[in-house]
Order: sequence, then C-alpha cells, then structure tokens
Amino acid sequence: NAGVMQNPRHLVRRRGQEARLRCSPMKGHSHVYWYRQLPEEGLKFMVYLQKENIIDESGMPKERFSAEFPKEGPSILRIQQVVRGDSAAYFCASSEVQGTGEQYFGPGTRLTVT
Amino acid sequence: ILNVEQSPQSLHVQEGDSTNFTCSFPSSNFYALHWYRWETAKSPEALFVMTLNGDEKKKGRISATLNTKEGYSYLYIKGSQPEDSATYLCASSSGGSYIPTFGRGTSLIVHP
Repeated sequence: NAGVMQNPRHLVRRRGQEARLRCSPMKGHSHVYWYRQLPEEGLKFMVYLQKENIIDESGMPKERFSAEFPKEGPSILRIQQVVRGDSAAYFCASSEVQGTGEQYFGPGTRLTVT
Repeated sequence: ILNVEQSPQSLHVQEGDSTNFTCSFPSSNFYALHWYRWETAKSPEALFVMTLNGDEKKKGRISATLNTKEGYSYLYIKGSQPEDSATYLCASSSGGSYIPTFGRGTSLIVHP
C-alpha cells in the first residue's frame, strides 16, 4: 500500500510564475490536508479538503493560493504569481476519517522562489 | 493556553538515557492529541493518537500520556538509542476545531 505521494519533491520558480504542487493520498483515504513549513517555523495548517469539496481553508492566504481535490486525480495546491516569501516546504497529509483520524504525511515539496 | 507549546525546544542525551518531553495544548473542547516523529529529510511519522483523559499509549520504548483536563501530554523514551534522534511533534485538535494545530517540536539528539 503506497503511502502519500507528493510531486515534485523540489520546485524552483521565478517570481511571478505559477507553482503547482500535487498530492496523491493513501489508497482509501478521502481526506487531504495541506501544511506549510516556513524556515525556522513549525507546520502551519493551510487547507482541508475532501473529494470535490473544500472543508476548511482558514489557513490559506486570501490571495494567490488555491486548492482542489477533484473526483479523479491528485489534490493540487496552486500558487499564482509566486513571491520569495512563498519559499517553504509544503506537506500534504491524508486520513481515512475526519476529525481525530490519524494523518499520514507525504515527503513534502520544497518550493524555492528565485 | 491558546497555542500548542512543546518543551524543551531541543535535547541532547547519551545513549541509554531515558528522556521525556512535554506538549501543552488548549484544554477546552478537546478532540485529540497526536504525536509524530520527524526525521530529517523524511515525512512526519505518526506515533500515537490519544483522545481520552488518562490515555496511555506505548510503542516499543516510546510511550505517551494524556491529561485533557489540564491540557498536557508527555512523551517518554526509555533507553534512548542514536536512531531515536529526530524531531518529535505534537498536534492538538481542540478549541472547537478538528484541524490539528502543531507545536514547533522537540529536537532530540542521542549521542552514542
């Protein structure tokens, strides 16, 4: 049973470009969470999605960031017009059940904005 | 307590020492407390999920306790080994939200 997959593992973008980060949850998991780890900080929640629905996006910046989890395919975190401050490690986690269910993390995507 | 706080921030011990660290979290409307082990260049690995006051969980030499009334959890490692070196994260779902809030972690280094 493959774990949570994220790609790419490393992504370099110039300021103003778009970044697309992908997350495939564990088989049988329909709940996906995105977290961001800025340098010298802990994991910060960004958004929680179920298939085709955004459940909680209270941690998402209001502009330039969006997320989706379509019926088919991976969850996508999209950052438009990236700025240097977006450089961080982005982690995705999935769980089988909502709420207090155990979350399984992917290896993360390290985004560098030059 | 409004945030999840972990102490100490870092810890150096010798192989064979037993050690413990603390996670403090909001005690109101508590749902769950998670502990993760995070090795450098890897993804966080779930250790325990605890939901009931007084819960104690154990996995090998690692154990954890939970006090939801006062809002703290302890993680214990008995007879530390160099391979235990990692950052130990706790995350609390409480304060009216199922979404876990993470602490900054305790970085453990076990010297041979």
